[in-house]
Amino acid sequence: DAGVTQSPTHLIKTRGQQVTLRCSPKSGHDTVSWYQQALGQGPQFIFQYYEEEERQRGNFPDRFSGHQFPNYSSELNVNALLLGDSALYLCASSWLDSGNTIYFGEGSWLTVV
Amino acid sequence: DAKTTQPPSMDCAEGRAANLPCNHSTISGNEYVYWYRQIHSQGPQYIIHGLKNNETNEMASLIITEDRKSSTLILPHATLRDTAVYYCIVSNAGGTSYGKLTFGQGTILTVHP
Repeated sequence: DAGVTQSPTHLIKTRGQQVTLRCSPKSGHDTVSWYQQALGQGPQFIFQYYEEEERQRGNFPDRFSGHQFPNYSSELNVNALLLGDSALYLCASSWLDSGNTIYFGEGSWLTVV
Repeated sequence: DAKTTQPPSMDCAEGRAANLPCNHSTISGNEYVYWYRQIHSQGPQYIIHGLKNNETNEMASLIITEDRKSSTLILPHATLRDTAVYYCIVSNAGGTSYGKLTFGQGTILTVHP
């Protein structure tokens, strides 16, 4: 049983460019959340998708957007990249039900130069 | 989500039990206590979670006080591979919180030979 898988694992982008990160949830999970983790900090919640809709959003600008597909996989898009967007981007999946376990992927390292 | 307080760092000798405390005095009745750990440059790893009863799995035990205002994560026989940042999180991770976990700074556990 595959866990949460993310791609790519590492990438380098230039300021002003756009990036798309991908996530496949753990088998049987229907809910995907995205987190940003800057160096030396704890992960920060970006947003969560369920039934192909954004259900809750953290304190991130509209440059951060996402999508969930019918097979529950998800994408995170970041437009107009800034140097400060350099971080580890984590995907987490679960069932949408109180008290269920949330599993994280290994993340995608984004460096903006 | 309720806020948690953890010591910034702890040490433990290899083979001994590691007891990691967490205060969550503002926890509400429908919030669970989750523990995750993160080894450098990897995604957070789920350890255990509970609502009000003590829980045990193959990795650890979770002891929640009767008033639910604090908890302790116990690693019964710490190894060098348990060196990591440990996060205590309280969340109604389903329901209205839609899978949002609020990470603090965590406790850096260092296991010594």
